[in-house]
Amino acid sequence: QVQLVQSGAEVKQPGASVKLSCKASGFPLTNYFMHWVRQAPGQGLEWMTLLLPGGQNTLYAHNFQGRVTMSRDTSTSTVYLELTSLRSEDTAVYYCAREAAVVAKYFDYWGQGALVTVSS
Amino acid sequence: QSALTQPRSVSGSPGQSVTISCTGTSSDVGAYNYISWYQQHPDKGPKLIIYDVSKWPSGVPDRFSGSKSGNTASLTISGLQAEDEADYYCCSYAGRYTHYVFGTGTRVSVL
Repeated sequence: QVQLVQSGAEVKQPGASVKLSCKASGFPLTNYFMHWVRQAPGQGLEWMTLLLPGGQNTLYAHNFQGRVTMSRDTSTSTVYLELTSLRSEDTAVYYCAREAAVVAKYFDYWGQGALVTVSS
Repeated sequence: QSALTQPRSVSGSPGQSVTISCTGTSSDVGAYNYISWYQQHPDKGPKLIIYDVSKWPSGVPDRFSGSKSGNTASLTISGLQAEDEADYYCCSYAGRYTHYVFGTGTRVSVL
């Protein structure tokens, strides 16, 4: 069955970087758009970025331009999110999600989430 | 891009119906029929319950229904059950520059 299993919680200092992973199983990663969405404590969901099925092209929310990189390793069926220049406002649970089909525009499977805490 | 506007909370008794609104603009909700809704229980990841405004994924009961009029989408939960107590988020595709925008979230309480 489809599963997205994310890496564990991270604690980082302001100004540092974090790289999160999301291992996919049960479907061919190369056939789907993959996304990252975050949720600050007690807040709503915020879309961050997506990776096209070809693995070469990414799109980012304007809020994260220049600080976010999404990538993929097809040999391990894993997608990654790297966020740089961390600040306290980046403290959040980060979710990877699968877009249901090409041009589906909705997310049918989600990872369990990974808490990133930014604190000095 | 601002988040879509949802009521902070709604409540109802078991068996009743509740409706959650999701108000956007002519650039997101009003422009596309790519409206989806997600249920989130405490400390859990979101779960898809409605897509393309009013379609159900497999396994989601038809007590959940979606609609849209102009710049406002709505989710109705009929025959409210205790397990429906959760947070609900709408999401709209918003075009090639903004991509996706989520709602502010609504807490549904079952009295």
